[in-house]
Amino acid sequence: GAVVSQHPSWVICKSGTSVKIECRSLDFQATTMFWYRQFPKQSLMLMATSNEGSKATYEQGVEKDKFLINHASLTLSTLTVTSAHPEDSSFYICSARDKAAKFLHEQFFGPGTRLTVL
Amino acid sequence: DQQVKQNSPSLSVQEGRISILNCDYTNSMFDYFLWYKKYPAEGPTFLISISSIKDKNEDGRFTVFLNKSAKHLSLHIVPSQPGDSAVYFCAASGVTTSGTYKYIFGTGTRLKVLA
Repeated sequence: GAVVSQHPSWVICKSGTSVKIECRSLDFQATTMFWYRQFPKQSLMLMATSNEGSKATYEQGVEKDKFLINHASLTLSTLTVTSAHPEDSSFYICSARDKAAKFLHEQFFGPGTRLTVL
Repeated sequence: DQQVKQNSPSLSVQEGRISILNCDYTNSMFDYFLWYKKYPAEGPTFLISISSIKDKNEDGRFTVFLNKSAKHLSLHIVPSQPGDSAVYFCAASGVTTSGTYKYIFGTGTRLKVLA
């Protein structure tokens, strides 16, 4: 149980285009999902926290108009990188917190999406 | 400003011996600490956690120690097995001004257990 999927796993796009990444909790309901970004040999950097049915909370320095997050249902959150540029190339990873989890801090991670912007 | 640091990027240990992974933090307001394990091409998976009010938590072969005065925690794996070879991340949890939790991750330590 507690599986989180991400789609696509790898995407290459041209500069200026928009890319949508999906994060799904497959066997549980997720009231909260987190979006992280990881550069090579660096830590997972929290970009934003999204709660189902409400606006995402973005971390300082993350442009909300560039990284659009939608958490429309208890099993799906999407991250759209708008007008992508080469510096947006990174590994994007989501995690989800089970609505029914007994342990507050447990989050289940997706396998990540590697974005390469040419 | 890296609030959670894992200063050893890699560690090699012989099978059967103890693996000790270290993590330092700077923010005394963190109230929970977690360790995650990550295999290539997979997302991190939760391993073990410790509340800031405790100094030790044990789960099978895994034990996490917390030294609040030194702002240091460590993960001990005994005995180490080849299947433990992975990247280990420590993470710290803190409450935001809006009352939600957020998580700060270290850069990870790559553990290699040699058979």
